[in-house]
Amino acid sequence: DAGVIQSPRHEVTEMGQEVTLRCKPISGHDYLFWYRQTMMRGLELLIYFNNNVPIDDSGMPEDRFSAKMPNASFSTLKIQPSEPRDSAVYFCASSFFNRDGYTFGSGTRLTVV
Amino acid sequence: QQQVKQSPQSLIVQKGGISIINCAYENTAFDYFPWYQQFPGKGPALLIAIRPDVSEKKEGRFTISFNKSAKQFSLHIMDSQPGDSATYFCAASMVITDKLIFGTGTRLQVFP
Repeated sequence: DAGVIQSPRHEVTEMGQEVTLRCKPISGHDYLFWYRQTMMRGLELLIYFNNNVPIDDSGMPEDRFSAKMPNASFSTLKIQPSEPRDSAVYFCASSFFNRDGYTFGSGTRLTVV
Repeated sequence: QQQVKQSPQSLIVQKGGISIINCAYENTAFDYFPWYQQFPGKGPALLIAIRPDVSEKKEGRFTISFNKSAKQFSLHIMDSQPGDSATYFCAASMVITDKLIFGTGTRLQVFP
């Protein structure tokens, strides 16, 4: 398996623009997580899905953030409109049964200028 | 109660030495305690994990020590190598929510 695949690896956008981050989880994994990593706040869980259904989105910072998982092999995290304080590395992770360890993707480094 | 406190923030160790990173938690409902290793430009990767029914787990040079009464757990890296230089995160989860709560990370540097 190629692991968890995220795209793009880097994204630079202007404030106010819409940003869409993409994730392909490991085939067969039934949980998918979106995390944000910053120096100040570390790794923060934004939202997670089980069998494509959102389970907990309490970490989503505000209404500008939304996430979808239309099928078992694809998820998106959208920020609209983007702001400079959204600059961070966004990680997607997937797991099986949610107890045996997450597999993280390589992340998307987002810079909003 | 959802926090996992990790220390130190950074650690410098000489090659061959022992690296020790500590974590503490408050919520006694946590029942799964993994450690993740992250290299620059990469996502965190599972290193080793422990459940509270054992006090120690060893995998190669990496050992988790778990103290349930003190609500603390630690990672020991024996014979530390320059290739171990990375950021290490402890984490915890509980049965009900199943989401991992991460510590703030420890940047380890091992010098030859």
